[in-house]
Amino acid sequence: EAGVAQSPRYKIIEKRQSVAFWCNPISGHATLYWYQQILGQGPKLLIQFQNNGVVDDSQLPKDRFSAERLKGVDSTLKIQPAKLEDSAVYLCASSSMGGVFSHEQYFGPGTRLTVT
Amino acid sequence: AQSVSQHNHHVILSEAASLELGCNYSYGGTVNLFWYVQYPGQHLQLLLKYFSGDPLVKGIKGFEAEFIKSKFSFNLRKPSVQWSDTAEYFCAVNAGNTDKLIFGTGTRLQVFP
Repeated sequence: EAGVAQSPRYKIIEKRQSVAFWCNPISGHATLYWYQQILGQGPKLLIQFQNNGVVDDSQLPKDRFSAERLKGVDSTLKIQPAKLEDSAVYLCASSSMGGVFSHEQYFGPGTRLTVT
Repeated sequence: AQSVSQHNHHVILSEAASLELGCNYSYGGTVNLFWYVQYPGQHLQLLLKYFSGDPLVKGIKGFEAEFIKSKFSFNLRKPSVQWSDTAEYFCAVNAGNTDKLIFGTGTRLQVFP
Protein backbone atom coordinates (compact mmCIF):
# COMPACT_ATOMS: atom_id res chain seq x y z
CA GLU A 1 0.00 0.00 0.00
CA ALA A 2 1.47 3.33 -1.07
CA GLY A 3 1.79 5.90 1.68
CA VAL A 4 0.85 9.55 1.84
CA ALA A 5 2.80 11.53 -0.74
CA GLN A 6 3.84 15.15 -0.32
CA SER A 7 5.76 17.61 -2.45
CA PRO A 8 7.99 19.43 -2.42
CA ARG A 9 10.09 18.02 0.40
CA TYR A 10 11.91 21.30 0.98
CA LYS A 11 11.14 24.90 0.13
CA ILE A 12 12.96 28.13 0.87
CA ILE A 13 11.22 31.42 0.19
CA GLU A 14 11.51 35.04 1.23
CA LYS A 15 8.93 36.64 3.47
CA ARG A 16 5.91 38.04 1.65
CA GLN A 17 6.26 35.45 -1.11
CA SER A 18 3.65 32.77 -1.67
CA VAL A 19 4.08 29.00 -1.53
CA ALA A 20 1.96 25.92 -2.14
CA PHE A 21 2.23 22.38 -0.86
CA TRP A 22 0.65 19.31 -2.38
CA CYS A 23 -0.60 16.12 -0.74
CA ASN A 24 -1.87 12.86 -2.18
CA PRO A 25 -3.46 10.69 0.52
CA ILE A 26 -3.62 6.92 0.69
CA SER A 27 -6.06 5.63 -1.89
CA GLY A 28 -9.57 5.39 -0.52
CA HIS A 29 -8.93 7.50 2.57
CA ALA A 30 -11.81 9.90 3.01
CA THR A 31 -10.25 12.11 5.65
CA LEU A 32 -7.26 14.35 5.06
CA TYR A 33 -5.43 16.53 7.57
CA TRP A 34 -2.82 19.28 7.33
CA TYR A 35 -0.60 19.85 10.35
CA GLN A 36 2.04 22.47 11.09
CA GLN A 37 5.04 21.36 13.14
CA ILE A 38 7.27 24.15 14.37
CA LEU A 39 10.74 23.14 15.54
CA GLY A 40 10.62 21.83 19.11
CA GLN A 41 6.86 21.42 19.13
CA GLY A 42 4.39 18.70 18.30
CA PRO A 43 2.26 18.84 15.16
CA LYS A 44 -0.70 21.22 15.30
CA LEU A 45 -3.80 20.61 13.19
CA LEU A 46 -4.47 23.34 10.64
CA ILE A 47 -7.36 21.89 8.70
CA GLN A 48 -9.30 18.65 8.31
CA PHE A 49 -11.23 17.55 5.25
CA GLN A 50 -13.84 14.82 5.03
CA ASN A 51 -13.98 13.99 1.32
CA ASN A 52 -13.97 17.50 -0.19
CA GLY A 53 -15.69 19.27 2.70
CA VAL A 54 -13.97 21.11 5.55
CA VAL A 55 -14.61 19.55 8.98
CA ASP A 56 -12.33 21.72 11.13
CA ASP A 57 -10.32 24.79 10.17
CA SER A 58 -10.47 26.54 13.51
CA GLN A 59 -6.67 26.85 13.78
CA LEU A 60 -6.00 27.86 10.18
CA PRO A 61 -4.80 31.50 9.90
CA LYS A 62 -7.31 32.31 7.20
CA ASP A 63 -5.85 35.72 6.41
CA ARG A 64 -2.85 34.04 4.80
CA PHE A 65 -3.45 30.28 4.66
CA SER A 66 -5.87 28.50 2.37
CA ALA A 67 -6.45 24.88 1.53
CA GLU A 68 -8.60 22.94 -0.87
CA ARG A 69 -9.34 19.35 -1.65
CA LEU A 70 -10.95 19.24 -5.04
CA LYS A 71 -12.67 15.98 -5.97
CA GLY A 72 -12.01 14.63 -2.49
CA VAL A 73 -8.57 13.23 -3.26
CA ASP A 74 -5.48 15.45 -3.58
CA SER A 75 -5.12 18.57 -1.50
CA THR A 76 -3.11 21.77 -1.67
CA LEU A 77 -2.19 24.11 1.15
CA LYS A 78 -1.18 27.66 0.25
CA ILE A 79 0.44 30.44 2.20
CA GLN A 80 0.19 33.97 0.82
CA PRO A 81 2.03 36.05 1.91
CA ALA A 82 4.49 34.06 4.04
CA LYS A 83 5.88 35.34 7.33
CA LEU A 84 9.05 34.34 9.14
CA GLU A 85 7.00 32.50 11.77
CA ASP A 86 5.58 30.20 9.09
CA SER A 87 8.91 28.36 8.98
CA ALA A 88 7.94 24.82 9.94
CA VAL A 89 7.35 21.33 8.63
CA TYR A 90 3.92 20.94 7.03
CA LEU A 91 2.58 17.45 7.44
CA CYS A 92 -0.25 15.83 5.58
CA ALA A 93 -2.06 12.84 7.03
CA SER A 94 -5.00 10.72 5.97
CA SER A 95 -7.30 8.20 7.57
CA SER A 96 -9.95 5.86 6.30
CA MET A 97 -12.69 7.40 8.39
CA GLY A 98 -13.21 10.46 10.47
CA GLY A 99 -15.60 11.85 13.02
CA VAL A 100 -16.83 9.73 15.89
CA PHE A 101 -15.13 6.54 14.81
CA SER A 102 -11.55 7.67 14.98
CA HIS A 103 -9.06 5.70 12.97
CA GLU A 104 -5.30 5.73 12.69
CA GLN A 105 -3.85 8.68 10.84
CA TYR A 106 -1.07 7.93 8.36
CA PHE A 107 1.45 10.70 7.90
CA GLY A 108 3.43 11.80 4.88
CA PRO A 109 7.11 12.81 4.96
CA GLY A 110 6.30 16.49 5.29
CA THR A 111 7.44 19.65 3.54
CA ARG A 112 10.09 21.66 5.36
CA LEU A 113 9.47 25.36 4.73
CA THR A 114 12.08 27.99 5.52
CA VAL A 115 11.04 31.63 5.26
CA THR A 116 13.94 34.09 5.16
CA ALA B 1 -9.25 22.89 25.92
CA GLN B 2 -7.46 19.60 25.56
CA SER B 3 -3.71 19.55 26.09
CA VAL B 4 -0.95 16.97 26.29
CA SER B 5 2.20 17.22 28.42
CA GLN B 6 5.38 15.30 27.86
CA HIS B 7 7.71 16.18 30.68
CA ASN B 8 10.80 14.42 29.36
CA HIS B 9 12.15 16.53 26.53
CA HIS B 10 15.41 14.65 26.00
CA VAL B 11 16.28 11.22 27.32
CA ILE B 12 19.67 9.54 26.94
CA LEU B 13 20.04 5.83 27.64
CA SER B 14 22.47 3.01 27.09
CA GLU B 15 21.38 -0.08 25.23
CA ALA B 16 19.48 -2.61 27.38
CA ALA B 17 18.30 0.09 29.78
CA SER B 18 14.61 0.31 30.55
CA LEU B 19 12.55 3.18 29.21
CA GLU B 20 9.54 5.03 30.49
CA LEU B 21 8.31 8.22 28.84
CA GLY B 22 5.66 10.23 30.59
CA CYS B 23 2.48 11.55 28.99
CA ASN B 24 -0.33 13.37 30.75
CA TYR B 25 -3.41 14.86 29.16
CA SER B 26 -6.13 17.20 30.25
CA TYR B 27 -9.66 16.26 29.27
CA GLY B 28 -12.42 14.98 31.48
CA GLY B 29 -14.34 12.86 29.01
CA THR B 30 -13.68 9.79 26.92
CA VAL B 31 -10.37 9.91 25.09
CA ASN B 32 -8.41 7.95 22.55
CA LEU B 33 -4.67 7.88 23.16
CA PHE B 34 -1.74 7.38 20.82
CA TRP B 35 2.02 7.20 20.75
CA TYR B 36 3.71 8.11 17.49
CA VAL B 37 7.40 7.74 16.69
CA GLN B 38 9.57 9.59 14.21
CA TYR B 39 12.88 7.91 13.37
CA PRO B 40 15.64 10.14 11.96
CA GLY B 41 14.77 11.13 8.41
CA GLN B 42 11.47 9.27 8.43
CA HIS B 43 7.85 10.24 8.77
CA LEU B 44 5.64 9.93 11.83
CA GLN B 45 4.32 6.44 12.38
CA LEU B 46 1.99 4.90 14.93
CA LEU B 47 3.57 2.91 17.76
CA LEU B 48 0.41 2.00 19.63
CA LYS B 49 -3.06 3.24 20.46
CA TYR B 50 -5.70 2.92 23.15
CA PHE B 51 -9.39 3.24 22.37
CA SER B 52 -11.03 1.08 25.04
CA GLY B 53 -10.70 -2.20 26.91
CA ASP B 54 -7.48 -3.45 28.48
CA PRO B 55 -5.60 -0.36 29.70
CA LEU B 56 -2.26 -2.04 28.98
CA VAL B 57 -1.69 -1.89 25.25
CA LYS B 58 1.14 -3.42 23.30
CA GLY B 59 2.57 -1.88 20.18
CA ILE B 60 5.25 -2.57 17.65
CA LYS B 61 8.91 -3.22 18.45
CA GLY B 62 8.29 -4.28 22.04
CA PHE B 63 6.74 -1.02 23.22
CA GLU B 64 3.76 -0.91 25.55
CA ALA B 65 1.77 1.80 27.27
CA GLU B 66 -0.57 1.88 30.22
CA PHE B 67 -3.65 4.07 30.42
CA ILE B 68 -4.32 5.18 33.99
CA LYS B 69 -7.56 7.10 33.89
CA SER B 70 -7.33 8.39 37.46
CA LYS B 71 -3.95 9.96 36.69
CA PHE B 72 -4.83 11.15 33.17
CA SER B 73 -1.66 9.39 32.05
CA PHE B 74 -0.55 7.18 29.17
CA ASN B 75 3.11 6.41 29.76
CA LEU B 76 5.19 4.57 27.20
CA ARG B 77 7.50 1.77 28.30
CA LYS B 78 10.04 -0.64 26.92
CA PRO B 79 11.98 -3.07 29.13
CA SER B 80 15.20 -3.00 27.12
CA VAL B 81 15.96 -0.31 24.52
CA GLN B 82 18.10 -0.76 21.44
CA TRP B 83 20.22 1.69 19.50
CA SER B 84 17.58 1.55 16.75
CA ASP B 85 15.02 3.05 19.14
CA THR B 86 16.75 6.42 18.81
CA ALA B 87 13.94 8.67 17.63
CA GLU B 88 11.46 11.32 18.68
CA TYR B 89 8.35 10.10 20.45
CA PHE B 90 5.04 11.96 20.47
CA CYS B 91 2.04 11.34 22.67
CA ALA B 92 -1.32 12.39 21.22
CA VAL B 93 -4.92 12.42 22.33
CA ASN B 94 -8.31 13.04 20.86
CA ALA B 95 -11.64 13.37 22.58
CA GLY B 96 -14.02 10.49 22.06
CA ASN B 97 -16.33 12.48 19.80
CA THR B 98 -13.71 13.85 17.43
CA ASP B 99 -10.65 12.65 15.56
CA LYS B 100 -8.68 15.87 15.95
CA LEU B 101 -5.30 14.86 17.37
CA ILE B 102 -3.64 17.01 20.02
CA PHE B 103 0.06 16.28 20.22
CA GLY B 104 2.55 16.75 23.02
CA THR B 105 5.83 18.52 22.37
CA GLY B 106 7.69 15.26 21.92
CA THR B 107 10.55 13.45 23.67
CA ARG B 108 13.84 12.97 21.95
CA LEU B 109 15.36 9.60 22.85
CA GLN B 110 19.01 8.85 22.22
CA VAL B 111 20.28 5.34 22.81
CA PHE B 112 24.00 4.72 22.88
CA PRO B 113 25.55 1.30 22.24
